[in-house]
Amino acid sequence: AQSVTQLGSHVSVSEGALVLLRCNYSSSVPPYLFWYVQYPNQGLQLLLKYTTGATLVKGINGFEAEFKKSETSFHLTKPSAHMSDAAEYFCAVRTDTGRRALTFGSGTRLQVQP
Amino acid sequence: ETGVTQSPTHLIKTRGQQVTLRCSSQSGHNTVSWYQQALGQGPQFIFQYYREEENGRGNFPPRFSGLQFPNYSSELNVNALELDDSALYLCASSLTGDGITDTQYFGPGTRLTVL
Repeated sequence: AQSVTQLGSHVSVSEGALVLLRCNYSSSVPPYLFWYVQYPNQGLQLLLKYTTGATLVKGINGFEAEFKKSETSFHLTKPSAHMSDAAEYFCAVRTDTGRRALTFGSGTRLQVQP
Repeated sequence: ETGVTQSPTHLIKTRGQQVTLRCSSQSGHNTVSWYQQALGQGPQFIFQYYREEENGRGNFPPRFSGLQFPNYSSELNVNALELDDSALYLCASSLTGDGITDTQYFGPGTRLTVL
């Protein structure tokens, strides 16, 4: 079985500061990893994904994430936070075996202070 | 390219009633997945349909059922509604067999409130 743990249900940063949202996964087979963002009263928008190959993945809106197999982590970063980054962020995992469904973490709410 | 659409946007039902939610998948996609997102939680997988057949199911009771139509649109039906069914229901479409992890693209969701 696969699972995702997002450390910190709420993260607050100042505008212009580094954003770091943590995600650790558990999977018995090589995972595919995703970050989605959810703005209030909206669905999920794909930020970035890791499949195979390069472990540093760049996404939209200046976000990037690094797959670290040894640490079973896929943390999301952005060098400089913008007010428009305030949202809920979800990490998700999927494998190629069995059910092809996404398993999500519980989410991290990012607040950006002016 | 048309994105994933869902209807209705909001819905209020009473306990014991039945509800049908609808989803139109993104153009070119052949797979639809449904998720339930309770307040303050991450989405939970309900089931997935591929070429009109159920292709996997999460830990949801049989009163949650679905359909996929030849045009790949889909319905989620919930019978005998319970208060705990109040949630945001998300539909996601993907292209199975594209060789690129079948990335799922989500619709805006339907907010169901059960009173």
